[in-house]
Amino acid sequence: EDQVTQSPEALRLQEGESSSLNCSYTVSGLRGLFWYRQDPGKGPEFLFTLYSAGEEKEKERLKATLTKKESFLHITAPKPEDSATYLCAVPLDTGRRALTFGSGTRLQVQP
Amino acid sequence: GAGVSQSPRYKVAKRGQDVALRCDPISGHVSLFWYQQALGQGPEFLTYFQNEAQLDKSGLPSDRFFAERPEGSVSTLKIQRTQQEDSAVYLCASSQDGNQPQHFGDGTRLSIL
Repeated sequence: EDQVTQSPEALRLQEGESSSLNCSYTVSGLRGLFWYRQDPGKGPEFLFTLYSAGEEKEKERLKATLTKKESFLHITAPKPEDSATYLCAVPLDTGRRALTFGSGTRLQVQP
Repeated sequence: GAGVSQSPRYKVAKRGQDVALRCDPISGHVSLFWYQQALGQGPEFLTYFQNEAQLDKSGLPSDRFFAERPEGSVSTLKIQRTQQEDSAVYLCASSQDGNQPQHFGDGTRLSIL
């Protein structure tokens, strides 16, 4: 069965303290891995799509990387405004468009 | 508007009532998705439309759930004879086509009393 697992469930950082979030997946024939940010009371906001092992994408303090089994979201010198839940998702099995999401990592960055 | 719009933002209903949730996707987006999100969990897929065709409804939890997109733009998710376990946030997403990133609305928070 396809699965997406995120760790840690929650992470508290001091402002400026870099760290990484993990997303591991077991899906046959990966057709993209998606990272989203979700603020309380809001819908998920699209961040990145990664398609192949070795691929990297960056946006401000965030960098996403992909291997054959997992993806990392690196946060460099985070600021309090980076506090949110970060979700990763992959498309379900071949031929289907729906996304399977992990449970997310709740990130809190303290000033 | 520029983004996906959902209404109402909040809905409270008594157990047994029917509810209808609306989604206005981004203009021109062919694909439309409905997800259900429980507190502290990631969204779970309900159903998918390509234009007006419902191509995947495998995530609908029971026959009380029904979705439509009759003209290929606005979609409605209807839940009949609501039960307490239907309480959740219902998210709508759209994309240019099925392979492009999905862009989400802010959801409807449904509470069944």
